Amino acid sequence: DQQVKQNSPSLSVQEGRISILNCDYTNSMFDYFLWYKKYPAEGPTFLISISSIKDKNEDGRFTVFLNKSAKHLSLHIVPSQPGDSAVYFCAARPRTGANNLFFGTGTRLTVIP
Amino acid sequence: DAGITQSPRHKVTETGTPVTLRCHQTENHRYMYWYRQDPGHGLRLIHYSYGVKDTDKGEVSDGYSVSRSKTEDFLLTLESATSSQTSVYFCATGTGQMNTEAFFGQGTRLTVV
Repeated sequence: DQQVKQNSPSLSVQEGRISILNCDYTNSMFDYFLWYKKYPAEGPTFLISISSIKDKNEDGRFTVFLNKSAKHLSLHIVPSQPGDSAVYFCAARPRTGANNLFFGTGTRLTVIP
Repeated sequence: DAGITQSPRHKVTETGTPVTLRCHQTENHRYMYWYRQDPGHGLRLIHYSYGVKDTDKGEVSDGYSVSRSKTEDFLLTLESATSSQTSVYFCATGTGQMNTEAFFGQGTRLTVV
């Protein structure tokens, strides 16, 4: 059963506009959330994270929002650039138990020049 | 970036043959993980290690075994490869500290024919 869900397999955005990638989770024990970016033939690279004690974390063009009551997080990229075109994975870690990450299925972002 | 090297990068093998994938890290991270990436499933944890000779199963461990005889090396073995094990395999490492990310290798594309 998928505990982390990314319901949009793909997203296309014009260069300069905002990209919003969404992620939902079901496990209330998750307390640390991450976004990874993946280019073809490469491993995922860490992008940004947020702890459950916060509702927003910003790093340059990237902002992650966490809504714990809705078990929902989103990644905003603004302005979007062609180099942002990649697959984005949402991941979550529980506060107890093994130190593992649970991943969503990914969203392929295409930024159109 | 953590120094994580996976070998081989590509492999084609026949059904029923044993296969070993290697992950080598230079960051002295305590935790090491093996994930597989498949369309529609994202990244799923196969096995992980929390120290030398300390390993445990992930969510898709059937048909796989692992060994960690040194901090820097984590081996994934398919005792008798099946076509369902055709996938891209990623090794990851982490410190195990709270609210930290995992670092990924570049992946091994395995095809079982």
